[in-house]
Amino acid sequence: DAGITQSPRHKVTETGTPVTLRCHQTENHRYMYWYRQDPGHGLRLIHYSYGVKDTDKGEVSDGYSVSRSKTEDFLLTLESATSSQTSVYFCAISEYGRGGPYEQYFGPGTRLTVT
Amino acid sequence: GENVEQHPSTLSVQEGDSAVIKCTYSDSASNYFPWYKQELGKGPQLIIDIRSNVGEKKDQRIAVTLNKTAKHFSLHITETQPEDSAVYFCAASSGNNDMRFGAGTRLTVKP
Repeated sequence: DAGITQSPRHKVTETGTPVTLRCHQTENHRYMYWYRQDPGHGLRLIHYSYGVKDTDKGEVSDGYSVSRSKTEDFLLTLESATSSQTSVYFCAISEYGRGGPYEQYFGPGTRLTVT
Repeated sequence: GENVEQHPSTLSVQEGDSAVIKCTYSDSASNYFPWYKQELGKGPQLIIDIRSNVGEKKDQRIAVTLNKTAKHFSLHITETQPEDSAVYFCAASSGNNDMRFGAGTRLTVKP
């Protein structure tokens, strides 16, 4: 998985509780992404980072926040988890090359269940 | 924004046959089209990609074709093997952190 780890790999939490997922990379890539994967929807971008402390929203950012204090770590926080946030979450990394950050490499995923 | 549609959603073939998965995209600014393979319980793995200045690309048993005019691209797998069974995703991007994925195709290769 291209030097990418995600923790935890599985988590069950209750509605209304805060949850933080961690992505760690050893590739020193500039770009990091958080996606969620749901049946029938493929992968949808939540937030991404283009450098330390530089982040931007993706397609489905409501209810999520992110932080990147070091190149290697990208955190995804659900401030108050809801059942609609039950999903599999994937982190991806990319580096700038040939005119843009194109090739993305994915981590192993975190399965989150909100009861 | 970009919209990527992928067909079929499921595909079953006999070992040794070919498999074809098709995708269409809507944003003419898209210029990068990767394909990912996802095995059960794992993250998507990049298997091949193509850029808009190329019409076809091959890597052993896998090939991808792109028709920019019609805004569609396809994945071709020849001489399929049981280990090719997985979910395959297409995607499209303009290189501005805007990658959009298709909904996926579950490929089953029967021995």
